[in-house]
Amino acid sequence: AQSVTQLDSHVSVSEGTPVLLRCNYSSSYSPSLFWYVQHPNKGLQLLLKYTSAATLVKGINGFEAEFKKSETSFHLTKPSAHMSDAAEYFCVVSPNSGYSTLTFGKGTMLLVSP
Amino acid sequence: NAGVTQTPKFQVLKTGQSMTLQCAQDMNHEYMSWYRQDPGMGLRLIHYSVGAGITDQGEVPNGYNVSRSTTEDFPLRLLSAAPSQTSVYFCATRTSGYESYNEQFFGPGTRLTVL
Repeated sequence: AQSVTQLDSHVSVSEGTPVLLRCNYSSSYSPSLFWYVQHPNKGLQLLLKYTSAATLVKGINGFEAEFKKSETSFHLTKPSAHMSDAAEYFCVVSPNSGYSTLTFGKGTMLLVSP
Repeated sequence: NAGVTQTPKFQVLKTGQSMTLQCAQDMNHEYMSWYRQDPGMGLRLIHYSVGAGITDQGEVPNGYNVSRSTTEDFPLRLLSAAPSQTSVYFCATRTSGYESYNEQFFGPGTRLTVL
């Protein structure tokens, strides 16, 4: 069984300040973990993924995430927010192999103010 | 390449009506799936297919039917629409049903309202 919890439904930051979106997961096996981003009225786009290689994963648009097995966390960070980062972000967990489906978190809405 | 396409973009139905949401992909992906997105609920899997002729239920399959006769197409059918099916529907594909660690590619979505 697997589950994912995004700890904040909304996060507000000012442009130029750091971004932290928190995600904890539960999995009975070694998981793959993803962050997807959804801009308003758009489909989802992959930001980055962890699949048991390096624990610090770099993605597009300056985002990165660190897999911490001891804390069962996969938090998403960015050093400096841009207005274009305003979107909804989804943390997703999956088994690391085999036929399986993804489990999505409920999403975190990132608001960026000037 | 168009990637993953969905039609229609918007649809309004009356309770009890039927309709089919279309999903097509030109990436030759084996795995296709349908999700619904509701506020505060994230995405929930309705049905999925690991290849032509093979489909299976996801987390919320009730009220929906699917079939997969070709690699390219994966339509989602609502036989008798209910207001509870008001949602945004996304089709997604990935290279293989077996490789769950691979990226999924999402269509632009269909926004459905059932009155």
